[in-house]
Amino acid sequence: NAGVTQTPKFRVLKTGQSMTLLCAQDMNHEYMYWYRQDPGMGLRLIHYSVGEGTTAKGEVPDGYNVSRLKKQNFLLGLESAAPSQTSVYFCASSYSTGVNQPQHFGDGTRLSIL
Amino acid sequence: AQSVSQHNHHVILSEAASLELGCNYSYGGTVNLFWYVQYPGQHLQLLLKYFSGDPLVKGIKGFEAEFIKSKFSFNLRKPSVQWSDTAEYFCAVRRSSASKIIFGSGTRLSIRP
Repeated sequence: NAGVTQTPKFRVLKTGQSMTLLCAQDMNHEYMYWYRQDPGMGLRLIHYSVGEGTTAKGEVPDGYNVSRLKKQNFLLGLESAAPSQTSVYFCASSYSTGVNQPQHFGDGTRLSIL
Repeated sequence: AQSVSQHNHHVILSEAASLELGCNYSYGGTVNLFWYVQYPGQHLQLLLKYFSGDPLVKGIKGFEAEFIKSKFSFNLRKPSVQWSDTAEYFCAVRRSSASKIIFGSGTRLSIRP
């Protein structure tokens, strides 16, 4: 049981390049989330999804797009990368928002934009 | 807007010292509360959570937290820390039945051997 898997683990991009981060979970969770983690700012929610085919904006959605075409996958896209998007990105999932349903996190993707 | 405050950015303790990390939130309704830990180079892991009932919650590795509704606080405690507790600790709050969890900015805990 892999849990939440993020690919890639590291990536360096040039300003203006595009890329997609993949998050996959094998726990049949309905809810999936993308966060960015920056020093002194904790985790900030970028986008989230409450089910297949649905997405919603979080705290810091600008410059990112997401898609949830399959229940197990949640993709985060950067159309035109900017240095301000240098960060560590974490994906998380949860079965629901009910009692005893915390979020399970992936190992993170370290992204550097030059 | 709902917010979560962790006032201690970096705490340094000696082994066997007692620990208390503060967490305050701004939302006035019913909330679910969490503490997560991130060990160096690893992903976040759940330490403990509060949904309802006894406001004193016990988690893994000897950690506990107390929900004080009147103070909008959910402080994390451990009677005697170990070097292996060196990590970053995040408090998180979710409005009951909401889908989003709001995280605090984190507290880095360093333990001197």
